[in-house]
Amino acid sequence: QVQLVQSGGGVVQPGRSLRLSCAASGFTFSSNGMHWVRQAPGKGLEWVAVIWYDGSEKYYADSVKGRFIISRDNSKNTLYLQMNSLRLEDTAVYYCARWGWDRRPDYWGQGALVTVSS
Amino acid sequence: DIVMTQTPLSSPVTLGQPASISCRSSQSLVHSDGDTYLSWLQQRPGQPPRLLIYKISNRFSGVPDRFSGSGAGTDFTLKISRVEAEDVGVYYCMQATQFPLTFGGGTRVEIK
Repeated sequence: QVQLVQSGGGVVQPGRSLRLSCAASGFTFSSNGMHWVRQAPGKGLEWVAVIWYDGSEKYYADSVKGRFIISRDNSKNTLYLQMNSLRLEDTAVYYCARWGWDRRPDYWGQGALVTVSS
Repeated sequence: DIVMTQTPLSSPVTLGQPASISCRSSQSLVHSDGDTYLSWLQQRPGQPPRLLIYKISNRFSGVPDRFSGSGAGTDFTLKISRVEAEDVGVYYCMQATQFPLTFGGGTRVEIK
């Protein structure tokens, strides 16, 4: 079955960096685009970034553009989100999600909490 | 950016009764390929989101048939024919027609 297992969350000071990982199994990882979506405490969902199945295209939300980098290693079946210059407002649970057929976000990771605090 | 507006914010429902959630987009969600990439997701308390419906009305694998989606253009609806206790949570509409992807603010379904 499709599984997305996330790691890398934690507490970090403003201005510092953190990298999230999302390990995929149960499907051909190199055939699917992947997203990052976040949810601030008590708030709704906010799309962060997407990467094409082969890494050839990447798109970002304006709120993270120039600070976050989405990448993937298809040989390791793993998606990454490098978060630089973190701000207090980046505090959220970050989810990875598979980009399935018909542009559907069909499988989601369990989430990783990132807390930016001084 | 496409703004997604959901109503109501909260929907108290009696077990076994229907529930309906509306989602309106600020512009048409019809893609240049002719499809409309409107999905509905459910988020139970403490859980990640779960896909229920994609392309307006297609139920995802394992989703009970009491969930149905409808609509076109800019107006969409999610209906639960008979609410069960396990349906408690927050429901989000999401458009994937255009980047950035955007979500509605969410509708909380709770049992009266």
